Amino acid sequence: RKEVEQDPGPFNVPEGATVAFNCTYSNSASQSFFWYRQDCRKEPKLLMSVYSSGNEDGRFTAQLNRASQYISLLIRDSKLSDSATYLCVVSPGTYKYIFGTGTRLKVLA
Amino acid sequence: NAGVTQTPKFQVLKTGQSMTLQCAQDMNHNSMYWYRQDPGMGLRLIYYSASEGTTDKGEVPNGYNVSRLNKREFSLRLESAAPSQTSVYFCASSGGLNQPQHFGDGTRLSIL
Repeated sequence: RKEVEQDPGPFNVPEGATVAFNCTYSNSASQSFFWYRQDCRKEPKLLMSVYSSGNEDGRFTAQLNRASQYISLLIRDSKLSDSATYLCVVSPGTYKYIFGTGTRLKVLA
Repeated sequence: NAGVTQTPKFQVLKTGQSMTLQCAQDMNHNSMYWYRQDPGMGLRLIYYSASEGTTDKGEVPNGYNVSRLNKREFSLRLESAAPSQTSVYFCASSGGLNQPQHFGDGTRLSIL
């Protein structure tokens, strides 16, 4: 089993739709969680950290479910510019970060 | 705000050649990292430096060496390049444990 698993997609959604991605992790001792966005093999860019109580940043909402060992990302009112690959990142509290292979999102006009 | 700067952005090498990828950050971060990314695979950690003066192997260290020159700079060296090292290389830094990483814009390396 991979340490961090994501559905590779692609998720094809119309503009204005709501879309959600999940990411599962295997290490129950994981301490920090992040979502990154990556465009066309450019560098990953931090989208948001994921906190235990859940957090929101504009149209983006992240949730953490420790019992089931997954994190989620919800995007509301999808824009064409949201088309990208979304990377889930988990850290066990060491200096290492484990990256998922990403979920590809295409927002269609 | 420069953030994390990598040089060069593109490089083509012949098998057996050596080269050094440079990375510098201006965020006063303690920790720095080198990753490679290949099609269909997630980022894989090559080496990291938790703090100035320390370096440790990651998931795929074979064929690479690193130097943490000072707090700002962390270089990656390929001593004898092989075609299997064709990849996109990303440098990243973070402020410490449980802090998010910030990435440079990558070096696209092709080895013929």
